[in-house]
Amino acid sequence: SALTQPPSASGSPGQSVTISCTGGSGDIGFYDYVSWYQQHPGKAPKLIIYEVLKRPSGVPDRFSGSKSGKTASLTVSGLQAEDEADYYCSTYAGSRGALFGGGTKVTVL
Amino acid sequence: EVQLVESGGGLVQPGGSLRLSCVGSGFTFSLYSMSWVRQAPGKGLEWVASIEKDGSEIFYADSVKGRFTISRDNSKNSLHLQLNSLRVEETAVYFCARVLEGSTRDYWGQGTLVTVSS
Repeated sequence: SALTQPPSASGSPGQSVTISCTGGSGDIGFYDYVSWYQQHPGKAPKLIIYEVLKRPSGVPDRFSGSKSGKTASLTVSGLQAEDEADYYCSTYAGSRGALFGGGTKVTVL
Repeated sequence: EVQLVESGGGLVQPGGSLRLSCVGSGFTFSLYSMSWVRQAPGKGLEWVASIEKDGSEIFYADSVKGRFTISRDNSKNSLHLQLNSLRVEETAVYFCARVLEGSTRDYWGQGTLVTVSS
């Protein structure tokens, strides 16, 4: 994948988990247009973070985003059972369109 | 309520063609860029194509350039994807999504499954 994510992450209920997303100087390192999507099995992706750190209406503030250089991060605080899902980062890449990460499976222990 | 509903998926032989459609409701369709994203079974998301709100600009992933064609009909609130010369590895669920500035996809359809097999 054009963006690199760890394949898995886990945490106990109430704990925090952070997922990284690494790109390049022409995408994450250049644009403040990183978005994160949550996907439960058999469902469509759901937008949870956009423009690096903004949350759409209705998304709990347990979800937060940040960026440093070519790496963006998603932190899920106060893990809940329903947070168990796949998470994908994405960014705008100019003429290359949109790039997605390979996805990270979050397991709530 | 914003809704996107895809249709047109199915079983097609390698080298065959298929036309996918996506109808939007609950928002002013002509004011938004739209895109197609696919997901092969058990795999991650892959951007396929995007089209500007008035169709003036169109972008494709290198993997589908020359074989897929994205189009829209704002009078019918519809988005289309013509898939030609399909390959087995293009078996996937194809999602349509509304696009905001910076490639943010804020609403997604439920997807339509395309199976390429002999």
